[in-house]
Amino acid sequence: AQTVTQSQPEMSVQEAETVTLSCTYDTSENNYYLFWYKQPPSRQMILVIRQEAYKQQNATENRFSVNFQKAAKSFSLKISDSQLGDTAMYFCAFMKSHNTDKLIFGTGTRLQVFP
Amino acid sequence: NAGVTQTPKFQVLKTGQSMTLQCAQDMNHEYMSWYRQDPGMGLRLIHYSVGAGITDQGEVPNGYNVSRSTTEDFPLRLLSAAPSQTSVYFCASTQRGGGYSYEQYFGPGTRLTVT
Repeated sequence: AQTVTQSQPEMSVQEAETVTLSCTYDTSENNYYLFWYKQPPSRQMILVIRQEAYKQQNATENRFSVNFQKAAKSFSLKISDSQLGDTAMYFCAFMKSHNTDKLIFGTGTRLQVFP
Repeated sequence: NAGVTQTPKFQVLKTGQSMTLQCAQDMNHEYMSWYRQDPGMGLRLIHYSVGAGITDQGEVPNGYNVSRSTTEDFPLRLLSAAPSQTSVYFCASTQRGGGYSYEQYFGPGTRLTVT
């Protein structure tokens, strides 16, 4: 069975600084997808970034980028130029490539951005 | 285009009562699923559906029923509410294939309290 581990329950960063959130996963699959979701206080789940396992290039979305290390089964999220609006829970999630309804989530990292 | 909608937003039940959480999507997505979110545990899959008339169990299905009579709707039924079902419930839908991103679109959630 697949598992996703987020070992940092809470993180904090000063506005405009860079922060990295960690995620590791365990799977025997070769093809899969990885996601980072943001959950602000509004409770809405918002997709931040996604990575296909077959792609070697790390995904980027504006200030958000990932460091995907397939062999190490590591998928960290880097937030550059942190903004107050980045304050939220961040969840790492795994999905097998042929089963789109089974997202497996980590337990989340609460990120606080300070002015 | 409303995306994924859920009703109600909040609900309080007494132990033993039954109720249905409603979920609808207007994106013609084949795949829909229900998750529950508990403190410190991330989101866990309850039930999912790969199309109208087809449903299957997720990680934590006990105490819940689902049906999928139309592509748009995927209600979640609590048969006899228990305090352990106090949680936030999220419905999600996914489009896959044909170059789609496999992104799961989440509803705004329903906060359920069972006393």
